[in-house]
Amino acid sequence: SYELTQPPSVSVSPGQTARITCSGDALPNKYAYWYQQKSGQAPVLVIYEDSKRPSGIPERFSGSSSGTMATLTISGAQVEDEAEYYCYSTDSSGNQRVFGTGTKVTVL
Amino acid sequence: EVQLVESGGGLVKPGGSLRLSCSASGFTFSNYNMNWVRQAPGKGLEWVSSISSSSSYIYYADSLKGRFTTSRDNAKNSLYLQMNSLRAEDTAVYYCARGPDDSNNYYPCYWGQGTLVTVSS
Repeated sequence: SYELTQPPSVSVSPGQTARITCSGDALPNKYAYWYQQKSGQAPVLVIYEDSKRPSGIPERFSGSSSGTMATLTISGAQVEDEAEYYCYSTDSSGNQRVFGTGTKVTVL
Repeated sequence: EVQLVESGGGLVKPGGSLRLSCSASGFTFSNYNMNWVRQAPGKGLEWVSSISSSSSYIYYADSLKGRFTTSRDNAKNSLYLQMNSLRAEDTAVYYCARGPDDSNNYYPCYWGQGTLVTVSS
């Protein structure tokens, strides 16, 4: 089955830049999406179609994709950005959707 | 305001069945693709199923092996997940999630708060 691989954790100091990667074989041809999930809450979409930001999402969140890797960047991370982040995409057939393994971002 | 409210969760014995519902409001339900996503306690998100706006296309995670069935009733603004032959590993919070304005896409944009399903004897 198709898998998207993320690092388990990323730590960053407030005001610094956090980068979270997502690796998958189909990413050269499929969009990546990113979700933020804070403890006890439902996920929130923060990036769609590799690099687009939904309304209401701070500009410090950005996304990019190159080859088999997509990246979520938090520029000038804030304490409130502490959360679990998941990438999401589809396999090459487009029929199987999949979430990445998740990355815990700590800002301290 | 988009609202998605899941219901139907609870405690069920292994091998049993359960039907989850998701009631939608704040948008024209019949225009949007919908999804089910689950999250086991302390674990990551797992995509379960997606259904197109008219129910013409329904997709399931391969791991479910035909045990789950997704349906919708556009007249009732409701999404359903019928779960059969439940196992302990199906224990999770089940989220209902709406797709984007683009009817060709399914990625979850708005999420409900989830309903907890516990499979235990």
